[in-house]
This record gives sequence, C-alpha cells and structure tokens, in this order.
Amino acid sequence: EDQVTQSPEALRLQEGESSSLNCSYTVSGLRGLFWYRQDPGKGPEFLFTLYSAGEEKEKERLKATLTKKESFLHITAPKPEDSATYLCAVQVSGGGADGLTFGKGTHLIIQP
Amino acid sequence: ETGVTQSPTHLIKTRGQQVTLRCSSQSGHNTVSWYQQALGQGPQFIFQYYREEENGRGNFPPRFSGLQFPNYSSELNVNALELDDSALYLCASSDNRGINEKLFFGSGTQLSVL
Repeated sequence: EDQVTQSPEALRLQEGESSSLNCSYTVSGLRGLFWYRQDPGKGPEFLFTLYSAGEEKEKERLKATLTKKESFLHITAPKPEDSATYLCAVQVSGGGADGLTFGKGTHLIIQP
Repeated sequence: ETGVTQSPTHLIKTRGQQVTLRCSSQSGHNTVSWYQQALGQGPQFIFQYYREEENGRGNFPPRFSGLQFPNYSSELNVNALELDDSALYLCASSDNRGINEKLFFGSGTQLSVL
C-alpha cells in the first residue's frame, strides 16, 4: 500500500528562522511528488512537482528537494504570511487510478 | 481565466439522506477529481472523471458516485449518508487526465452529517 508520512505534524517558528519539513514515502512506482499549501477554509494550492531523485525546485522562500525515499521543503527566512498547512502528495505510476495520495500535512505557524 | 468553483459552501444533512455537490472546473480543463478531507487529515482521492467517464477510483464504496457533463462541470452524489461522511469535499480540475499535471482545487463544500 502506498504511504506518505509528513513530519513534524506542527511547527512554530519565529519570523526569519529557517527550517525544513519532511515527507517520506513508500510507493510501488513514483510518477511524481507534489507539494501543496492549504490555508484555513480553502482548497490546496499547488507549489511544486518533483519527478526524480536529485531534482530541486525553488519559489521565493521555498525550496523542494527529492531523494528516492523522501522529500524536503526548505523554508528560508519565513514571514508570517508563510503560515499554512503544507501537504505532500505522490502520484503512482501504473494502476487504474491517477489520483494523488496525500500525507496529513505539517501545520506551520510563523510568529512575527 | 475563472477558477474552480464549488457549491454549496456548507451543508447539513441527517444520517441516511442523500446529497449532491457541484463543481465547475477551470476553463479549458477536461479532467475533474473529487477528494474527501476529514478534519486534521490530508485529502483522500474519491474518483476522477475524464471526458464524462470515470477513469479512476479510490477506496470509496459505491454509494459515492459522480457525473461529468459536456461542459466538464461535475457532480458528486453520496447516498445513505453516514456520520463518518462529515468532511470537506474538494473538487480539483486539471488537463491531460491529471497525469503529471498540477491540480487546481476549489474551496470545497463542508458537509456535516448529524
């Protein structure tokens, strides 16, 4: 069974304090790994897709990396507006369903 | 370009009733997926529709069913509601059957089953 585990469940940082969120996965065949951001009362918003080990992508203060077993979302000098739940998801190659398997998310709070 | 819109935003039903949720996909997208998100959990894949046909399904019973219309809008129907069906129901649209494509999510319908 495909599994996605995110850690920590919650993280509180001071503004400007850099950190990393972890997403470990166990799948039969990875087609892609996705990072989404979800604000309260809203649907997830796409951030990145990673396809193969060693790949990295950046957007403003966020950088996502991928290995064969896990992905990291690095947040550099975060601001209060970066507060949200960050979701990791995998899409598996083969099989009948092309849906994403999500982790439970990391609830990130950035304090001014 | 219009985003994904869902209706209603909130809904209260009693156990055993039936419910229909609606979704308008983003302009130009031919694929719609539905997800269930329980409180404190990540979204769970229910099913996907591509050009009016179901082409993928997660681990949900048959009382969860759907439709996609020629304009690519979609409905999610749930029969014989159970208390555990209380959740946020998210619709997402994409192109190319969602393969390696980012999903555009709506803000969801919050369903409460009493």
